[in-house]
Amino acid sequence: DTAVSQTPKYLVTQMGNDKSIKCEQNLGHDTMYWYKQDSKKFLKIMFSYNNKELIINETVPNRFSPKSPDKAHLNLHINSLELGDSAVYFCASSSLGGVENIQYFGAGTRLSVL
Amino acid sequence: GNSVTQMEGPVTLSEEAFLTINCTYTATGYPSLFWYVQYPGEGLQLLLKATKADDKGSNKGFEATYRKETTSFHLEKGSVQVSDSAVYFCALRDSGAGSYQLTFGKGTKLSVIP
Repeated sequence: DTAVSQTPKYLVTQMGNDKSIKCEQNLGHDTMYWYKQDSKKFLKIMFSYNNKELIINETVPNRFSPKSPDKAHLNLHINSLELGDSAVYFCASSSLGGVENIQYFGAGTRLSVL
Repeated sequence: GNSVTQMEGPVTLSEEAFLTINCTYTATGYPSLFWYVQYPGEGLQLLLKATKADDKGSNKGFEATYRKETTSFHLEKGSVQVSDSAVYFCALRDSGAGSYQLTFGKGTKLSVIP
């Protein structure tokens, strides 16, 4: 079983559209994250939720809205997509209270905005 | 604030060559240090970690030693293989209860040729 799974793996869409990326983890973790990786492989955190509550919200346009229906899911909705949103988006999870607090990553969603 | 600086890539080596990827950090307190690896088309995976000064993390023939005096965590492998071709990320996490946010370096792409 995949520990952190994201769907879709690839997403190609037109400018101005609205799209969602889903993430689920089956590790029993209480904290989930969204990262954006640009074309130069630079990885930057966007959001983090702990027990369905937002705990990190970096400087990200309001067009990006995370939603966590429960501890095992953290979805990312993007409104009015722009060319600059093209990137690979990674979901991750960890156990905040755990001694090791290792983050486990999904395989990524490659978003291409045309 | 925290920051991680990695050597610029890409790095190209012949099989069985010795690998060093430099990583230095800036942080308050005593962070935990990590190396993550991203194979082509996949998400990040934890390669190794060290949680206190002079700790040595090791995995799959890779090693890194937490050097507080030089604020460094250089990644080394004695004999690389083609299958080691990937992007390597150095990261740190603040010390203290409830710390969870990772700060990543910009990644170093390694290509190993037969």
